[in-house]
Amino acid sequence: AQSVTQPDIHITVSEGASLELRCNYSYGATPYLFWYVQSPGQGLQLLLKYFSGDTLVQGIKGFEAEFKRSQSSFNLRKPSVHWSDAAEYFCAVGALNNNDMRFGAGTRLTVKP
Amino acid sequence: DTAVSQTPKYLVTQMGNDKSIKCEQNLGHDTMYWYKQDSKKFLKIMFSYNNKELIINETVPNRFSPKSPDKAHLNLHINSLELGDSAVYFCASSQRAGAGGEQFFGPGTRLTVL
Repeated sequence: AQSVTQPDIHITVSEGASLELRCNYSYGATPYLFWYVQSPGQGLQLLLKYFSGDTLVQGIKGFEAEFKRSQSSFNLRKPSVHWSDAAEYFCAVGALNNNDMRFGAGTRLTVKP
Repeated sequence: DTAVSQTPKYLVTQMGNDKSIKCEQNLGHDTMYWYKQDSKKFLKIMFSYNNKELIINETVPNRFSPKSPDKAHLNLHINSLELGDSAVYFCASSQRAGAGGEQFFGPGTRLTVL
């Protein structure tokens, strides 16, 4: 079965600074990869997803992520963070032949003024 | 128009009680899920139904019983509630099973067992 690791439990960045959240996955075949964001007290909202094709995917709210098969990674990036980006971010991996999506433990993002 | 809705949003109850959480999706999806998010924000799948049929049943106590009266609804019934059941429960849906596709989440139900 697939699995996901998010090495950083908590990251703090200044508003306007760039952001990179790390995600590593384990799966034997081509994975389906997702980033979700959870604002306090809210459900999960999809930021972006990778199924195939171009390894750099663009998402909502100015986020992007790059799939690197050689590193089994799918890191999330944003060039300039806004205070409203403070939230919990989850990386998830799905697989073609099942709908059992596995989530990472999440990375909490704090944005300093 | 809410895509995936859950009721109630908050549920506070005593140990030993039986409670239900309802979930409805209006996206026309075939597959629905229940997840449990613990106090450390770890999100773990509990059940998955495809066209009213159970397809994923993780190691969950049999006090938890999902019920899918139709494709658009997946309710979660919990018997004999325990302190450790306190968590946020999320319902989700996806277009179909077996495609590893995007899941749409409800707003969550925060269950507190006293």
